[in-house]
Amino acid sequence: TQLLEQSPQFLSIQEGENLTVYCNSSSVFSSLQWYRQEPGEGPVLLVTVVTGGEVKKLKRLTFQFGDARKDSSLHITAAQPGDTGLYLCAGVRGSQGNLIFGKGTKLSVKP
Amino acid sequence: ETGVTQSPTHLIKTRGQQVTLRCSSQSGHNTVSWYQQALGQGPQFIFQYYREEENGRGNFPPRFSGLQFPNYSSELNVNALELDDSALYLCASTLTGGGGYRRNYGYTFGSGTRLTVV
Repeated sequence: TQLLEQSPQFLSIQEGENLTVYCNSSSVFSSLQWYRQEPGEGPVLLVTVVTGGEVKKLKRLTFQFGDARKDSSLHITAAQPGDTGLYLCAGVRGSQGNLIFGKGTKLSVKP
Repeated sequence: ETGVTQSPTHLIKTRGQQVTLRCSSQSGHNTVSWYQQALGQGPQFIFQYYREEENGRGNFPPRFSGLQFPNYSSELNVNALELDDSALYLCASTLTGGGGYRRNYGYTFGSGTRLTVV
């Protein structure tokens, strides 16, 4: 059973388009993290959202944490080829901070 | 500051063999977690070490075991390798205080060890 469902699984768009990736769960998490992973590399942390309803911006990326702390979204404005990669959301669980990952969204931005 | 380093980068083993993977945590970090990432999947939590003790474990059998050393580096050992153990094994480190994991502090991942079991 996948605790965190990410959608869409694959996304192929043209440079300049906007996109949104969703991360949904029936579980409540103490915080949620978004990572970006490139082939042959480990995930790199983009952002951590902690408070329900929180919105964080990182240049053209906007992250939102749901009010109930069960879901999150990542919106990219004017996507660029450099945004290509696997985007992973991870819920933080327990006092030990174990990460529960979704399957990821594979984004391809074509020039 | 140095990041998380893992060795080896690639490894090929035969079914039934044993393997040891190594991880050096980022400078200043005291907690190490291990994850298994199968092709096309998100990473799956194996276990976590803090103060040289396992303090969290995912749904993996006992043939997956680990160690953390006083310098916070860590090893992942897998006995009786199976074909399904073929995956990218990721090590991640973070800083944990006396009150537990800090919610707003993320993990630093290494580049992983690609294990192939034939």
